[in-house]
Amino acid sequence: DTAVSQTPKYLVTQMGNDKSIKCEQNLGHDTMYWYKQDSKKFLKIMFSYNNKELIINETVPNRFSPKSPDKAHLNLHINSLELGDSAVYFCASSQKPSSTDTQYFGPGTRLTVL
Amino acid sequence: QKEVEQNSGPLSVPEGAIASLNCTYSDRVSQSFFWYRQYSGKSPELIMSIYSNGDKEDGRFTAQLNKASQYVSLLIRDSQPSDSATYLCAVNPRVTGGGNKLTFGTGTQLKVEL
Repeated sequence: DTAVSQTPKYLVTQMGNDKSIKCEQNLGHDTMYWYKQDSKKFLKIMFSYNNKELIINETVPNRFSPKSPDKAHLNLHINSLELGDSAVYFCASSQKPSSTDTQYFGPGTRLTVL
Repeated sequence: QKEVEQNSGPLSVPEGAIASLNCTYSDRVSQSFFWYRQYSGKSPELIMSIYSNGDKEDGRFTAQLNKASQYVSLLIRDSQPSDSATYLCAVNPRVTGGGNKLTFGTGTQLKVEL
């Protein structure tokens, strides 16, 4: 009965590879997000989708491409991985894209680029 | 100037004491404010949300908001060792075109000592 789930939990890969992270929520929410938490624990939003439509796109290298096949799923594909991409990536969801809506976070995917 | 500022700590308090965590923000028209707790290696989980000036209490937690001074605080009464975690202040700033774009502080590490 997990609310927001992510796969994989850990991802270790070489520089230059391409990898994907998947996220699913069973809360019936319309809005999903990707956040990056760096080694200093700073959590920063990357993207947000509302009902499969991109609504927030922060200053993120275009090597990062989100995709939302339906409103319960949001995937993140990363091309040509770099050392600086090593971080924990959190998916989150909220009922609507309203500023007062609580965001619920998934367990995170720890990406290590060697 | 950082958008959301917190003292990184660690803030050490004895068991049973009141822990006071503070946060300031730069965007004067910010609309909503959240406190998340993050245990080491885990995802952020919502503790409190507050939208209007004043105090909001939930069990041992009280959130305080002062929009004129642009600060929000979290008080934890009767602190327990299980409260030891990093507390993240999150602010929803003005977003052109809408969207639920949380901006996080770097977090305050709280240690509750026996």
